[in-house]
Amino acid sequence: GESVGLHLPTLSVQEGDNSIINCAYSNSASDYFIWYKQESGKGPQFIIDIRSNMDKRQGQRVTVLLNKTVKHLSLQIAATQPGDSAVYFCAETTLYSGGGADGLTFGKGTHLIIQP
Amino acid sequence: DAMVIQNPRYQVTQFGKPVTLSCSQTLNHNVMYWYQQKSSQAPKLLFHYYDKDFNNEADTPDNFQSRRPNTSFCFLDIRSPGLGDAAMYLCATSRDREYQPQHFGDGTRLSIL
Repeated sequence: GESVGLHLPTLSVQEGDNSIINCAYSNSASDYFIWYKQESGKGPQFIIDIRSNMDKRQGQRVTVLLNKTVKHLSLQIAATQPGDSAVYFCAETTLYSGGGADGLTFGKGTHLIIQP
Repeated sequence: DAMVIQNPRYQVTQFGKPVTLSCSQTLNHNVMYWYQQKSSQAPKLLFHYYDKDFNNEADTPDNFQSRRPNTSFCFLDIRSPGLGDAAMYLCATSRDREYQPQHFGDGTRLSIL
């Protein structure tokens, strides 16, 4: 059978509040970052991305902040809804011009729980 | 409509018995990836195909191999599954190496008896 996995960090927020999920990355050469949402039994779903020449990017109800100095990434979700309950992963990679890129390296993930 | 399709969703095999997982895509993307995700862990890249060029990660066990007969299909072959290979296997695609993000299928959950 499957080996016992690690317990994911958990963030519990009230419905309607804002959520902030943090991620630290280690590769200073990484220049492209993505946030994925993974619901139980499903594959990761793209939320938002950001390139290293930016420090902030906004989408619908979501904002990603990038601090390259301390190698830190955050995802802010505004007005959290029950459907936001999931595991959230940050991922990083390095893009090469002229063809060539590394695969994604995922962070450990955070389990977001929405309380009514 | 599903764009990255993985079959089957659940697969059970016996210890040491070869197993093949399949992935198909309707996006006409050049790059296809295979990831392994164990319980409560992050996905881990096994290998990827850029068109017909195969790129293996350094720490992917020899037990894992892949085939890509055409643009739309990619297979993951596990030659002699061990108990530690029980996991969710995720297939992903991207338009090309420079263009992300990757689009994921819903995975195949592999159990080993």
